Amino acid sequence: DAKTTQPTSMDCAEGRAANLPCNHSTISGNEYVYWYRQIHSQGPQYIIHGLKNNETNEMASLIITEDRKSSTLILPHATLRDTAVYYCIVRGLSGGYQKVTFGTGTKLQVIP
Amino acid sequence: NAGVTQTPKFQVLKTGQSMTLQCAQDMNHNSMYWYRQDPGMGLRLIYYSASEGTTDKGEVPNGYNVSRLNKREFSLRLESAAPSQTSVYFCASSERTEETQYFGPGTRLLVL
Repeated sequence: DAKTTQPTSMDCAEGRAANLPCNHSTISGNEYVYWYRQIHSQGPQYIIHGLKNNETNEMASLIITEDRKSSTLILPHATLRDTAVYYCIVRGLSGGYQKVTFGTGTKLQVIP
Repeated sequence: NAGVTQTPKFQVLKTGQSMTLQCAQDMNHNSMYWYRQDPGMGLRLIYYSASEGTTDKGEVPNGYNVSRLNKREFSLRLESAAPSQTSVYFCASSERTEETQYFGPGTRLLVL
């Protein structure tokens, strides 16, 4: 699995967009980018995933660069409840079980 | 839908005691997983079950056993608990091994 690099921590003002970057320069062609978050030691919560096109759902948007070496998770209007550790994960989706490796993630603090 | 549920939420054991952590999912998923999370280590896979009737070792299987009781339930057993097994344990499930994993709320285990 490709390694990912994320900033250790970020702050965001409540109501503003939170943009969380992730570098995955060694990603291969069949690997997806996944985002999870973990709120205060609860179970990790799935947010969104994508291969090469930008994706949007009710929680967030995922922007993947054309070369696929980096991506950005966007929370359009951050609330205090979005304070969490956000994990960017790269994994393949073929050939049976593919390891899910959670790194140290980005600790996002949403400030009132 | 409750999603993935885990029992108990908290447990304190003495060294050498045994216990079973229970996990159930109501999403009709084929695949289930057990992870442990320790400070600074991220989530590490203990065992997984790709489908009912199969189980496979993950990264850190020593000291644990699992049972895929049926399609809904996947239990994790500590036969002789050790202080090194103090951790937060998460169960997860997915439609298939290559699909998105959904996590339970976790079991906090302290072994004295």
